[in-house]
Amino acid sequence: AAGVIQSPRHLIKEKRETATLKCYPIPRHDTVYWYQQGPGQDPQFLISFYEKMQSDKGSIPDRFSAQQFSDYHSELNMSSLELGDSALYFCASSQGLSGQSGSYEQYFGPGTRLTVT
Amino acid sequence: AQRVTQPEKLLSVFKGAPVELKCNYSYSGSPELFWYVQYSRQRLQLLLRHISRESIKGFTADLNKGETSFHLKKPFAQEEDSAMYYCAPGGRFRDDKIIFGKGTRLHILP
Repeated sequence: AAGVIQSPRHLIKEKRETATLKCYPIPRHDTVYWYQQGPGQDPQFLISFYEKMQSDKGSIPDRFSAQQFSDYHSELNMSSLELGDSALYFCASSQGLSGQSGSYEQYFGPGTRLTVT
Repeated sequence: AQRVTQPEKLLSVFKGAPVELKCNYSYSGSPELFWYVQYSRQRLQLLLRHISRESIKGFTADLNKGETSFHLKKPFAQEEDSAMYYCAPGGRFRDDKIIFGKGTRLHILP
């Protein structure tokens, strides 16, 4: 079965540069979530989109922005990169009720590892 | 607010020994709880959800409302169980974010 696809898998940028991370959800999934996992840290929620509208916002810096497009893929744009932005960025997607549980199970992508030098 | 606590940051267990990863929750309303697992260099993936009462890779987790716990258990640990495990609430509503706890690193000793 198709899974969540993230591109690129690895990215190296210098301080003050910009980066764009892409997420392609599972077909027919309409909700996308972005998480950031710093080295040795736990995943932290950044932002989510449902039907192309921002649905929730977590600890996302103002230097970051994101959007969901008509084909439901999402892009996380990061500007003025800082060393502390080095992390694994996960995208997850969900859609509808999951089997008997009635819960909106999230499926995670493999992540994009961003290194800022 | 939905919150979980995983008191153990690291758990080392010998292969073949029983495993129990602790998770306690505090909730307003009916809890919806999951265990996620992250193997080294792999994506985060769902391991269990409490409502389905299933067993995946030998792991089970029972929701104990009296103790507000959702501990993850496996009777005999295997080396491939070494990973980060996250207990997390959420998923009741369409765009519910997952609020991850600190996670527990399970290290299976040979």
